[in-house]
Order: sequence, then structure tokens, then C-alpha cells
Amino acid sequence: AQSVTQLGSHVSVSEGALVLLRCNYSSSVPPYLFWYVQYPNQGLQLLLKYTSAATLVKGINGFEAEFKKSETSFHLTKPSAHMSDAAEYFCAVTENSGGGADGLTFGKGTHLIIQP
Amino acid sequence: DAGVTQSPTHLIKTRGQQVTLRCSPKSGHDTVSWYQQALGQGPQFIFQYYEEEERQRGNFPDRFSGHQFPNYSSELNVNALLLGDSALYLCASSVRDEQYFGPGTRLTVT
Repeated sequence: AQSVTQLGSHVSVSEGALVLLRCNYSSSVPPYLFWYVQYPNQGLQLLLKYTSAATLVKGINGFEAEFKKSETSFHLTKPSAHMSDAAEYFCAVTENSGGGADGLTFGKGTHLIIQP
Repeated sequence: DAGVTQSPTHLIKTRGQQVTLRCSPKSGHDTVSWYQQALGQGPQFIFQYYEEEERQRGNFPDRFSGHQFPNYSSELNVNALLLGDSALYLCASSVRDEQYFGPGTRLTVT
């Protein structure tokens, strides 16, 4: 069964500092991996996805993530944090059955706090 | 191009009642998935519909059921509501490997 672990329910960084949100997964087959962001009282917005192409994936708003099979990790980074990055971030995994994306398994989320 | 839409936005029901939530997928998307997000938690997969049939199901009881219509829109039905069913219910539509989420329906069971 697939699963996702997000280390750190809350991460606080200063504005302009590096953002690093950690995600480890387990999957019995090569996974598809995603990072989503959720702002208060809103749905989820896709930041980026890994679907077995390049291991370094670039997303929206300056975020990127690197797929490391040996470490079963898919950590999210951003070189310089902005106040607008404050939100809840979710890592998710799925196994593509060939006909489309299967149901996603999400981590518990990491609340990113940006200090001025 | 309209994204995924859900209705209603908010809903308050009493324990034991039944509820129906609705979802219209993004244009061109033929697959709809439903998720339950309890307060402070990540979304949990309920089920997925493709070609009007339930294709995959998460670990949810039979009180949770759904339907997909020929135009790909979908409904989520929950019977015999429990207090623990209070959550944000998210619909996501997809084609191939990417799911797009709607804003959700906030269900409160009292």
C-alpha cells in the first residue's frame, strides 16, 4: 500500500530564506508524486508533479522538488520565501493504472509560516 | 475555461440525515474523484468514478455512495450522517495523471 510521510507539521522560515518541506513516500510500484498548496478555506492547487520523467521538477511560484528513488523522498524547496507562501502544503502519491490517475494518498500536511 | 465547481458551498445537517453533494468537472475531464478532509488533516480518498462506474474506492463505509452522469458530473451521497462526517468534501477531476480540485463543500453535522 502506498503512503506519505511529511516531516514537520509546522515549518517557520524568515522572509527571503530557503524553504524546505520534507516528504517521504512508500509505494510498491514506481509512483507519481505531487505537491499541492491549500490556502485557508480553499481547495487544493497543484504546485508540481513527478511522473517518471526528469527527477528535478519545477513548479509554479518558484517551487521545485527532486525525486530521489534511493531515499524514497520528494522534498519541496524554494530559494527565497515570500509572505504570500504562507499556507498548508500537502505531498501526495498515486500509482497510475494506465487509464488515468488513481486516487491520491496524501500526507498530513505541513503548515508553512513566513516570519517578516 | 471553468475549473472544477462544487455545490453547495456550505451545508449544515443533523445527525442521521442524508446529504447529496455535487461536482462538475473541468472541461474535457472524464474522471471524478471525491475526498474527505477533516479539520487539520490531509484529504482522504473516498472513491473515483470513470465512465459512470465506481473504478476505485478508499476505506470508507457503504454509507458513502456516488454517481457519475453521462456529462461526467458527479454526486456524493452520505446516508445516516454522523458527527464525524463533518469535514470539507473535495471533488477532483482528471484526465491522465493530474487531478484538479474544486473549492470544496463544507459539511457540518450537528
